[in-house]
Amino acid sequence: GAVVSQHPSRVICKSGTSVKIECRSLDFQATTMFWYRQFPKQSLMLMATSNEGSKATYEQGVEKDKFLINHASLTLSTLTVTSAHPEDSSFYICSAPGLGSITDTQYFGPGTRLTVL
Amino acid sequence: AQKVTQAQTEISVVEKEDVTLDCVYETRDTTYYLFWYKQPPSGELVFLIRRNSFDEQNEISGRYSWNFQKSTSSFNFTITASQVVDSAVYFCALSPDGANNLFFGTGTRLTVIP
Repeated sequence: GAVVSQHPSRVICKSGTSVKIECRSLDFQATTMFWYRQFPKQSLMLMATSNEGSKATYEQGVEKDKFLINHASLTLSTLTVTSAHPEDSSFYICSAPGLGSITDTQYFGPGTRLTVL
Repeated sequence: AQKVTQAQTEISVVEKEDVTLDCVYETRDTTYYLFWYKQPPSGELVFLIRRNSFDEQNEISGRYSWNFQKSTSSFNFTITASQVVDSAVYFCALSPDGANNLFFGTGTRLTVIP
């Protein structure tokens, strides 16, 4: 089946630094990818939709300047958490629709656990 | 607006018991998709099932079965003869037609006790 990878799987950084998280679709192309965040013992909340060749679409309440998204190619989307603070510590998960169908199954990456000290 | 409610926060069962995880959804769309995902301790979401709003047939896959009832806006998930490996957080999710993003419920943490 379709596979989505994320890198790194875990990152610890100091407050004020920026962290880049990569999301790759390994055996299929994805013009759209989604970024979610999950706080401990909570649900996944959609942050933004990453669109290849155009700007990302952010959900209400998500700061565009803080969470920079770049969909560099049909298989790669990156999320950069700029000037990270402890409250940004979370589990970040990306997903991509498989097989190119708009309503096809979403395949999720394994997630990136960010800890900001 | 879309909303998915999983009223059961945590459930514990003894191995071999059957367990049903409830999911109730709200949407104004006439066409939509419902999903169940499993999230084991490793964190990676595992796809279990997708069902479109026009298909109310119940589905069985091994020890798993799903009961979709449009009249009550519910999409419940039953695990028969539970096993320790079933211990995980289970998420129900909804995707409106024409959109790829998922609206997740708050999840149900299932613990199967040996």
